[in-house]
Formats: sequence, structure tokens, C-alpha cells
Amino acid sequence: NAGVTQTPKFQVLKTGQSMTLQCAQDMNHNSMYWYRQDPGMGLRLIYYSASEGTTDKGEVPNGYNVSRLNKREFSLRLESAAPSQTSVYFCASRTEGWTDPYEQYFGPGTRLTVT
Amino acid sequence: SQQGEEDPQALSIQEGENATMNCSYKTSINNLQWYRQNSGRGLVHLILIRSNEREKHSGRLRVTLDTSKKSSSLLITASRAADTASYFCATDGSSYKLIFGSGTRLLVRP
Repeated sequence: NAGVTQTPKFQVLKTGQSMTLQCAQDMNHNSMYWYRQDPGMGLRLIYYSASEGTTDKGEVPNGYNVSRLNKREFSLRLESAAPSQTSVYFCASRTEGWTDPYEQYFGPGTRLTVT
Repeated sequence: SQQGEEDPQALSIQEGENATMNCSYKTSINNLQWYRQNSGRGLVHLILIRSNEREKHSGRLRVTLDTSKKSSSLLITASRAADTASYFCATDGSSYKLIFGSGTRLLVRP
């Protein structure tokens, strides 16, 4: 049971380049999330997917797109990277139960630098 | 904008001492959660307290919640060097989104 996995672990891009961050979970969770974490700060929600086939914007969606490929996989795409997108990106999924309190399980993160 | 704000931003204590960190938030919540993040790693869920609970314990962790003051505290008793990490509170802004605070960096000196 690997939990939440992310690839790649590290990436350096030049301004204007594009890339896709991959995330997969093997816990059969419906909801998945993408966050970014800047130095000395908490996590800010970029996009989330409450179920397969649905995606919604979070707090900081500009410059990103997402795809919920299937129940397991949720990818984050940067179409034209900018230095302001230099950050650590975390994917997460949550336990089931819409009316019960839940916890989120996090992947190990992708450290992205845009030069 | 972030819902939760932790205080202090950084805390340094000796092994064996207790560590207390606080979280304040702005709007009504269904529950409040605390997460730990070791350097360079993802967040790990520690404990959840519902809005109708005032105190909860889990091992060496004690969480309190005061909804009238919109604040929570996390107490780690008998701290260990392995407790060195950043600690974040998170509140549920809606039924399936969490909003994280900026965190408290805890250093436990051996």
C-alpha cells in the first residue's frame, strides 16, 4: 500500500516551459487535492477533485490546469511556467464520508524551480 | 487568504519539556485538524477535534478547542528530539476542503 505517490520529486524548468506533475493514490479515495507550499508558509489549495470526472478551483488556480484521469490519478499541468510558480507541490487524497470528519493523506511533494 | 494562524511562528525547547502552540481562525468550522510536517516531507495527520468537542487526547498530544474565541491549542507533552517538525492547524472551509495556517516550527534540543 503505497498511499499517495508523486512524480517527479524534483524539477527545474525555464520560464515558458510546460510540464505535468503526476499524482496517484491507491486508497480508493474519491477526493484528491493539489497544494503549493512556499517557504515559511502553509499550504494553499490550487485545485481539487471531489470525485472522478469533476474538478474545481481552489485558492490559487491561475496558471494551472488539472485532469482527473481516473479515480486513482490526478495530474497538475503548468502550461507556461513562471518564476512565481517556484514552490513545493503536494498532492493529497482524503478518507471517505461526506458527513464525517476526515483527514487528508499527503504525497512526498515535488520541488519545482522555475528560472 | 489563510484561515488559521499559528502562534508562535517558531518554538525552541529542551527535550522533556512540553510544547504548546496555538491556532486562531476566522470563520465557523465543522472541525479543526492538526498536521505535522518533517523537513522536506509531506504533511501527516495528527489529530482532529470536532466543533462540539472541547478537548481531545491522543498519546502525548492534547488538543483544545474554544469556538467562542475561535482558537485551538496543541500541547505536546514530554517532547522528544523526533518531535522537531512544523505543525499546522487546518480548518474545513467547506465539506471537503481544508484551509491551512502558516505553521509553527518546533525545535526540540537534545
